Amino acid sequence: KAGVTQTPRYLIKTRGQQVTLSCSPISGHRSVSWYQQTPGQGLQFLFEYFSETQRNKGNFPGRFSGRQFSNSRSEMNVSTLELGDSALYLCASSFNPDRVGGEAFFGQGTRLTVV
Amino acid sequence: GENVEQHPSTLSVQEGDSAVIKCTYSDSASNYFPWYKQELGKRPQLIIDIRSNVGEKKDQRIAVTLNKTAKHFSLHITETQPEDSAVYFCAAYNTDKLIFGTGTRLQVFP
Repeated sequence: KAGVTQTPRYLIKTRGQQVTLSCSPISGHRSVSWYQQTPGQGLQFLFEYFSETQRNKGNFPGRFSGRQFSNSRSEMNVSTLELGDSALYLCASSFNPDRVGGEAFFGQGTRLTVV
Repeated sequence: GENVEQHPSTLSVQEGDSAVIKCTYSDSASNYFPWYKQELGKRPQLIIDIRSNVGEKKDQRIAVTLNKTAKHFSLHITETQPEDSAVYFCAAYNTDKLIFGTGTRLQVFP
């Protein structure tokens, strides 16, 4: 079974630009969550999608948005990039139909650098 | 919303010693508590988890304990080995949201 795939692996953008990151979950997983990882801050929750619906979101500004498609693939978009958005963005998929929590499988992440 | 605090931020032990990492959570509705290990340059991977109806779970050299009343849960690694060196994250799950602690960098010296 293929794991969680994130593209691209690395990205360099300039301030003010926007960026779209992609995540393909494990086949059969309908829940996809996104996290921002920075040194010292750990993994900060951005949002969670299930069957194309955003079920929960973290405390990030509206510049951070996402969506999920009918095949469970998800995209995350950041508009008007700031230097502080430089981070590793991880997505995780899980088989969580009963909403009781279960193992989250992470992708390799997209390393975003804003210059 | 849920907040997870994790201590210590760094932990150094001698090979063969035990290591303990502690976490507290704020929302009593959280019902699932996993622990992830992240080696340098790699993705986080689940090493053990516990649900709110269980007080303790063990898997070979690692164990997790949960005190729901105090909202504490801890990871215990016995007989540490150099390959246990990594960053460990605790997390608490509630309402489709998995909230992570800030991580503990564990170094095991031979």
